[in-house]
Amino acid sequence: EVQLVESGGGLVQPGGSLRLSCAASGFTFGSYWMTWVRQAPGKGLEWVANIKQDGGEKYYVDSVKGRFTISRHNAKNSLYLQMSGLRAEDTAVYYCARDTYYYGYDYWGQGTPVTVSS
Amino acid sequence: IQMTQSPSSLSASVGDRVTITCRASQSISSYLNWYQHKPGKAPKLLIYSASSLQSGVPSRFSGSGSGTDFTLTISSLQPEDFAIYYCQQSYSTPLTFGGGTKVEIK
Repeated sequence: EVQLVESGGGLVQPGGSLRLSCAASGFTFGSYWMTWVRQAPGKGLEWVANIKQDGGEKYYVDSVKGRFTISRHNAKNSLYLQMSGLRAEDTAVYYCARDTYYYGYDYWGQGTPVTVSS
Repeated sequence: IQMTQSPSSLSASVGDRVTITCRASQSISSYLNWYQHKPGKAPKLLIYSASSLQSGVPSRFSGSGSGTDFTLTISSLQPEDFAIYYCQQSYSTPLTFGGGTKVEIK
């Protein structure tokens, strides 16, 4: 059974940093692109970043470029999102998802909440 | 690429046929996916490549369209279908979602 479990969310002050993790199981992690998607309170879904199987390609939404870094450790079946320079508008539930590239995100985690507030 | 969904919300009864539309700001061929999202749950992929039904999704869900105009249809709305539905283009980065359509009980 495919499972994705996010962790690392919490309350952080503006300008602070946080590292989210996503533990994957039930599939060959290194064979898939992976993605982070977020949902701010009362808002819709927003794609944040994705990463190729070998980590050699990474893409970001403009609003997080230069502040967030997506990475992966295939031997540990883990996906990460290092977030720095956090702003109030980064407050959201962050989901990791298995990315079939053109064919959508077929498995999602339950999400981890991030709150940026003083 | 901007994705515009309509309506933003709708009220319908169990058994109704429901149609949600999604328009892309430029052609995305058939690189269009549909998701269902319920509060507190993980989003669920319903349709990929505009019209292909994801494994395990009931056949009352269907998708159509290509280029810039797409449709998600629920042929007979069931109680478990009340949720928010999102389209998403997978043609080019940044990969964008539509604003969502909330399907509520009439």
